[in-house]
Amino acid sequence: ETGVTQTPRHLVMGMTNKKSLKCEQHLGHNAMYWYKQSAKKPLELMFVYSLEERVENNSVPSRFSPECPNSSHLFLHLHTLQPEDSALYLCASSQRNYGYTFGSGTRLTVV
Amino acid sequence: QKEVEQNSGPLSVPEGAIASLNCTYSDRVSQSFFWYRQYSGKSPELIMSIYSNGDKEDGRFTAQLNKASQYVSLLIRDSQPSDSATYLCAVLDSGAGSYQLTFGKGTKLSVIP
Repeated sequence: ETGVTQTPRHLVMGMTNKKSLKCEQHLGHNAMYWYKQSAKKPLELMFVYSLEERVENNSVPSRFSPECPNSSHLFLHLHTLQPEDSALYLCASSQRNYGYTFGSGTRLTVV
Repeated sequence: QKEVEQNSGPLSVPEGAIASLNCTYSDRVSQSFFWYRQYSGKSPELIMSIYSNGDKEDGRFTAQLNKASQYVSLLIRDSQPSDSATYLCAVLDSGAGSYQLTFGKGTKLSVIP
C-alpha cells in the first residue's frame, strides 16, 4: 500500500451528476497534485497545491474544481462532466524535488 | 511548452537481455529527472531519479544523464518478464516555487520468456 490513498477506485457517473474524488497522503509532503491519464496521451497535470496554495492550470475546464483543506488532503469535485472526461485520475504528493508518490488512481467513466 | 519525448514502442527484448529506454527533453535548465514504471491498470511507481551527469546504478537499473545533449536513458540488465510495463520519463520544472513534473508518453517494454 502506498503512502497516498485515493478513493474511490472506480466511479461511474452520469453527465448531470456531482461527485468528488478524495486523496490523502501520509508522507508529510508539502505539495499535492491531480493528474489525468488518458489512453495514448502523456500524463496531464491538472492542478498543483504547494503549501496549500493552488497553482492555477488554465487549460482545465471549470467542471473540475479542486480543494485542498490542509497539506494532507486533496479533493477533486466533478460536475456536469462529458464522456471525454473518462480517464484515470491520479493524485500525487511530493517533497521538493524528490519525485512524486502516486496514489492508486480513480478510474472514472462518464456515461 | 516543455516537452519530454520517448519512443512509444513497444520495445521487445528476450529474457536476460539488456533493455535500453531513451528520453529527450526540451527545457535546457531542467535539473531533476525521473523514471517511473507503470504496470497495466496500475499507477506509476518511481524507480530511479538522477540529478547529475553520468550514470546512477540501483540493482539491475542504471540511469544515464547527459545534460549537454538533453538526453536521459534507463538501462535494465538481465531483463525479466516481470519488467514488462510502460516506463515513463519525467522532468522536473522547479520554477515558480512548485515542483511540477512533465511526463513523456511512455515506452512499453515487453520481455519475452
